Amino acid sequence: DAGVIQSPRHEVTEMGQEVTLRCKPISGHDYLFWYRQTMMRGLELLIYFNNNVPIDDSGMPEDRFSAKMPNASFSTLKIQPSEPRDSAVYFCASSPGTGNYEQYFGPGTRLTVT
Amino acid sequence: DAKTTQPPSMDCAEGRAANLPCNHSTISGNEYVYWYRQIHSQGPQYIIHGLKNNETNEMASLIITEDRKSSTLILPHATLRDTAVYYCIVRVVNYGGSQGNLIFGKGTKLSVKP
Repeated sequence: DAGVIQSPRHEVTEMGQEVTLRCKPISGHDYLFWYRQTMMRGLELLIYFNNNVPIDDSGMPEDRFSAKMPNASFSTLKIQPSEPRDSAVYFCASSPGTGNYEQYFGPGTRLTVT
Repeated sequence: DAKTTQPPSMDCAEGRAANLPCNHSTISGNEYVYWYRQIHSQGPQYIIHGLKNNETNEMASLIITEDRKSSTLILPHATLRDTAVYYCIVRVVNYGGSQGNLIFGKGTKLSVKP
């Protein structure tokens, strides 16, 4: 298996622009998670889905952030409009939701908003 | 907030055992101890988890005290590639609302030196 796939790996954009981050989870995994990592706040959960349905979005910082999972093999995290303080590494992870509930993380997308 | 306390950094000589401590004095009876690590510029990687018995896998051993208030992750023969930030996390093993979320603290930065 290729693991969790994220694109793009790096994104540089100007303040005010819309940014879309993409994630393909591991096939067969029922749970998908979006995390954000910054030096100041560390690694924090933004939202997670179970069977394509959002379960907990309490970590989404504000209305500028939105996440969707239209099918079991694809999810997006959108920021509109983007701000410099959104600069961070965004990780997607998936989990089978059974067994040891291990989460498998993707390589991350490094977002820079200027 | 993270329910665990870890030293911010540790050094270990290559080939020697690395013993990483974690304090989780408020752990509940249904919470497991999980360990993840994050190598620079990569997504976090699952290492091992346990409830109350000691556990061992191909990567590491986990020693949990009898009162479950602390644990130690042991890398038996550390290599340079084990240099990473190690996170100790306590969580319930299911997903219901926010109960199953991974809450990452600051972790321990382990530096393996030649």
